[in-house]
Amino acid sequence: AQTVTQSQPEMSVQEAETVTLSCTYDTSESDYYLFWYKQPPSRQMILVIRQEAYKQQNATENRFSVNFQKAAKSFSLKISDSQLGDAAMYFCAYRIAGSGNTPLVFGKGTRLSVIA
Amino acid sequence: GAVVSQHPSWVICKSGTSVKIECRSLDFQATTMFWYRQFPKQSLMLMATSNEGSKATYEQGVEKDKFLINHASLTLSTLTVTSAHPEDSSFYICSAGPLTEAFFGQGTRLTVV
Repeated sequence: AQTVTQSQPEMSVQEAETVTLSCTYDTSESDYYLFWYKQPPSRQMILVIRQEAYKQQNATENRFSVNFQKAAKSFSLKISDSQLGDAAMYFCAYRIAGSGNTPLVFGKGTRLSVIA
Repeated sequence: GAVVSQHPSWVICKSGTSVKIECRSLDFQATTMFWYRQFPKQSLMLMATSNEGSKATYEQGVEKDKFLINHASLTLSTLTVTSAHPEDSSFYICSAGPLTEAFFGQGTRLTVV
C-alpha cells in the first residue's frame, strides 16, 4: 500500500523568510503524481503545486517550489518570501497514474505558522 | 477553473436521523468522485469511491450500510449518513477531477446531537 509521511506536525517561519516542508512516500509504482495541498481555516483544499513522477524537473509555482527526489521518494515543498496568508495546514499527497481515476493518499499534514 | 460544489456546508441533526450530503461537478463530467472524512486536526481519509452508474467502492472499515453513496448522474454524487450517531460527527469532503488535479468541495461539517 502507498503511504505518505510528513514528519513535521508543526512549523513556523518569519514573514519574508523561507521554509521547507518535508514529505516522503512509499510506493512500488513508477508512474504517479505528487501534490501539495493547502488547507486554511476555511478548510477548503487548495492545490499549491503538482509534480509528475516522470518529469525530472522540479515544479515551481511563483513562491512555491518542490525538491523531488524520485530515488529517495522525497518530495519537499519550499515556500519563499513567506506571507501571512501562507499560514495553513499543508498536506502532501500521492496519486497513482493509471487508466482510471484514482484517489489521493494524504500525509498527516504540517501546520505552518507565519510570524509577523 | 473546474469547480466542485458541496452542500450543505454544515448540518446539525439528531441522533438516529439520516443526513444527505450532495457533491456536484459544476463544469465537467465526473464518472468518479471520492468521499473523504476528516477528524479535527487530522488528515483526510478516503471513505469510498463513487462510480457513476455502478456501486460505490468502500474502504476497509467503512460501513456501506451506514454511509450510502449514490452517483446517479455524471455531475452528482450523494453521501447519506443513515441512523447518525454522535461518533459520525466529522468533516466530510468530496473530490472529483482529472488525475493531474483533484478538485475539492467546500466540505460539510456534520454534528450529530
